[in-house]
Formats: sequence, structure tokens, C-alpha cells
Amino acid sequence: DSGVTQTPKHLITATGQRVTLRCSPRSGDLSVYWYQQSLDQGLQFLIQYYNGEERAKGNILERFSAQQFPDLHSELNLSSLELGDSALYFCASSASTGVSYGYTFGSGTRLTVV
Amino acid sequence: AQKVTQAQTEISVVEKEDVTLDCVYETRDTTYYLFWYKQPPSGELVFLIRRNSFDEQNEISGRYSWNFQKSTSSFNFTITASQVVDSAVYFCALSEFQGAQKLVFGQGTRLTINP
Repeated sequence: DSGVTQTPKHLITATGQRVTLRCSPRSGDLSVYWYQQSLDQGLQFLIQYYNGEERAKGNILERFSAQQFPDLHSELNLSSLELGDSALYFCASSASTGVSYGYTFGSGTRLTVV
Repeated sequence: AQKVTQAQTEISVVEKEDVTLDCVYETRDTTYYLFWYKQPPSGELVFLIRRNSFDEQNEISGRYSWNFQKSTSSFNFTITASQVVDSAVYFCALSEFQGAQKLVFGQGTRLTINP
């Protein structure tokens, strides 16, 4: 167990729907990162939050949004889902703003859009 | 811009053979981190190693070893006496030292160890 908890593990939904993926970081970690792993694009950075504030954005679609709550858990919201959004979504956490403080991945949420 | 290239898409070897996975990276930063992750069929990302740009010492951990060469911007990974359990997709990744320190991943190498 890495200490980073992602729920749900699997999600199947229809095109046009909206889903929320949840991530609880490792105890004491302030930073949360979201990554998407798809067959087309590989593993890509989506967005980072640090202590409740957005710190960096990567290749995140406008239909996607995220937030980090006061208890430091984070949610990734995906709306108007398309078939191409089917992917494995990973959350990672670190103690501070990056890898020099350690970087731990959760086990991922596998999203299937049908 | 940062970039990681894993030119080997798939490798297949017979058990007990040694195998080297190549990783070439590009960055303008002088300080950065390099990683290797293993992704078994179950899907999780398993951390294998982190190396900072100032530490060019090669590292050995059991059957695993890593060769970091700044002169050629390479960070190769060798598995000695491979085992079936080593079958997985292996990712090399690069992170800047400043800013968000997000990971930039290579496309991965699918390694199959045949009995």
C-alpha cells in the first residue's frame, strides 16, 4: 500500500456523462498531482495542487477540472465524456512541491467510456 | 522543453537472460531528476529508482542496475538474470528541479520474459 488512495478503482460510464475521481494523498503530503495514461498519449501530467491551490497545469482539457479540499484530498471532475477519455487516471502526492521530497502514486482509477 | 525517449517499444527475452532498457532524455535544466517505474499487468506504477542530475554513480539493487551518463543524456536500466515476474511495462521519467516538478514520461518499454 503506497499510502495514496484512489477511488473508485474502476468506473464505466456513457458518453456525455460526468464523473468524479477521488484521491486521498499520503498522510502529511500537501501536493497532489493528476496524470492520465491513455493508449494514444501515454502517461501525461494533467494538473497539480498544493495545499488547496492550483500550482501547475499540463495537458488538461477544458472539460476536466480538479480541486483540493481543506483536508487535502483531491477530486478530478471529468464532464461531457467522450470515448477518447477512456484511460487510467493516476494521482500522486508529495510532501512539498515536488519530487525532491518524494513522489508516491496511487493505484489508479480505470475509466471506461462506452 | 523536456522529453524522454524510450526507443524500444517491446522486448522479449528468455528467462535468465540479461536485458537492458534504454532511456534518452532532453532537458535544458542543469538540475533534474530521473526515474524508472515498473507497471505490471495489474496497472499500478511501482517506483524503482530516483537519481538526481549531480549523482552520476551507477547503482545496483539486487538484479537491477542503472547506468546514468550525462554526456549522452542516457539513463539505462539493466535486469540481470531476468525472471518471468519481471514482465511488465517499464517507464523512464524526467522531472525538472524547479517549478511544479511534474514528471515527463517516456512511452514505455513492454518487457516480456518467457520461461
